[in-house]
Amino acid sequence: DQQVKQNSPSLSVQEGRISILNCDYTNSMFDYFLWYKKYPAEGPTFLISISSIKDKNEDGRFTVFLNKSAKHLSLHIVPSQPGDSAVYFCAASNGNAGKSTFGDGTTLTVKP
Amino acid sequence: GAGVSQSPSNKVTEKGKDVELRCDPISGHTALYWYRQSLGQGLEFLIYFQGNSAPDKSGLPSDRFSAERTGGSVSTLTIQRTQQEDSAVYLCASSPQPYTANTGELFFGEGSRLTVL
Repeated sequence: DQQVKQNSPSLSVQEGRISILNCDYTNSMFDYFLWYKKYPAEGPTFLISISSIKDKNEDGRFTVFLNKSAKHLSLHIVPSQPGDSAVYFCAASNGNAGKSTFGDGTTLTVKP
Repeated sequence: GAGVSQSPSNKVTEKGKDVELRCDPISGHTALYWYRQSLGQGLEFLIYFQGNSAPDKSGLPSDRFSAERTGGSVSTLTIQRTQQEDSAVYLCASSPQPYTANTGELFFGEGSRLTVL
């Protein structure tokens, strides 16, 4: 039973447009959610996170939305840039944000 | 460098052999995590060290896997009698607190790619 799911393995958008990456979870005990970005042959790097007491967190071009009733979160990137092309992982945790359950990732390609 | 350092970056071994993977966390970081990523999948939690506390081994897939952290710094992940299904990228991460209260951020190394033939 996969507790964190990223149902879209890939997403392609045009430079300057919005990228929306989605993530669903099943465990209602999760109280912290994170997004990581990963380039080939590198370790994941932290992007943005959100606590379950909030429904939105914004950092520059990146915004994460959390819908607890739907057990769904999304990452919005506006405007998308070619350098954003990477694999994006959604992660969720209960109590210890470092001990997270990760989704399988979505590969984002931003076309110039 | 200032980041998390892992070695070796690549390891090819024969089935049944033992392997050791090393992680040198960011100086001053008290928490250390091991994850692994199999091809096309997400990261899978393996083990967590926090200071001098007993490690959280709840993610280790079998008793062939073990890890230690010496002096609260460098960590070694050991896989005994390797199997082909152990082939994956093993990622180490550290953080300055048990969990970073503000962001939950982990700082990952580049990983050690293990291939078991």
